[in-house]
Amino acid sequence: DVKVTQSSRYLVKRTGEKVFLECVQDMDHENMFWYRQDPGLGLRLIYFSYDVKMKEKGDIPEGYSVSREKKERFSLILESASTNQTSMYLCASSRGSGAPMGFFGPGTRLTVL
Amino acid sequence: AQTVTQSQPEMSVQEAETVTLSCTYDTSENNYYLFWYKQPPSRQMILVIRQEAYKQQNATENRFSVNFQKAAKSFSLKISDSQLGDTAMYFCAVLMNTGNQFYFGTGTSLTVIP
Repeated sequence: DVKVTQSSRYLVKRTGEKVFLECVQDMDHENMFWYRQDPGLGLRLIYFSYDVKMKEKGDIPEGYSVSREKKERFSLILESASTNQTSMYLCASSRGSGAPMGFFGPGTRLTVL
Repeated sequence: AQTVTQSQPEMSVQEAETVTLSCTYDTSENNYYLFWYKQPPSRQMILVIRQEAYKQQNATENRFSVNFQKAAKSFSLKISDSQLGDTAMYFCAVLMNTGNQFYFGTGTSLTVIP
């Protein structure tokens, strides 16, 4: 069974804290994505990575950074968490050739107080 | 960036009836894939059905089928014989052939009424 895992299902942090969200996939996929999901706004792309150490900004990168040191792991970093970053964060991966298909992790619900 | 539009924020259907969810998209690419994902309440996003843009034949997966109109850039999902377990948020998505551009609509919340 293919699998995308995320380090936490629920996370509560304080304003100003540095927050790390981890995503790991076991499918040897080249591409990995971070989205945030908010009611009425759907899934908005924060960052994606198409290879180790490579990253591209999505539609809403402000306030976030990412790291991909190994192919299977893609981390989302909130340098200084703010209350407007309270959201559901979804990680996804897809292969870069052939017939790509997106697989999702279970999501991390982050609350910033 | 590609755009994906789901114009129906909420829909409901009686159990055992048929419902169609709409999706339109905009891309200048020729090689891409279209997906419908289902997200049950508080549960993980799962793939419902997938369509390759180069295939004219509409994809079917048990009670789920699509109506793919490439020229119109339309990709609707038909759910036949609706079941209570179909209650979920449904997202339409476009993924480019390279796998590194993956865009979603805003979702349609479907409720199946007993």
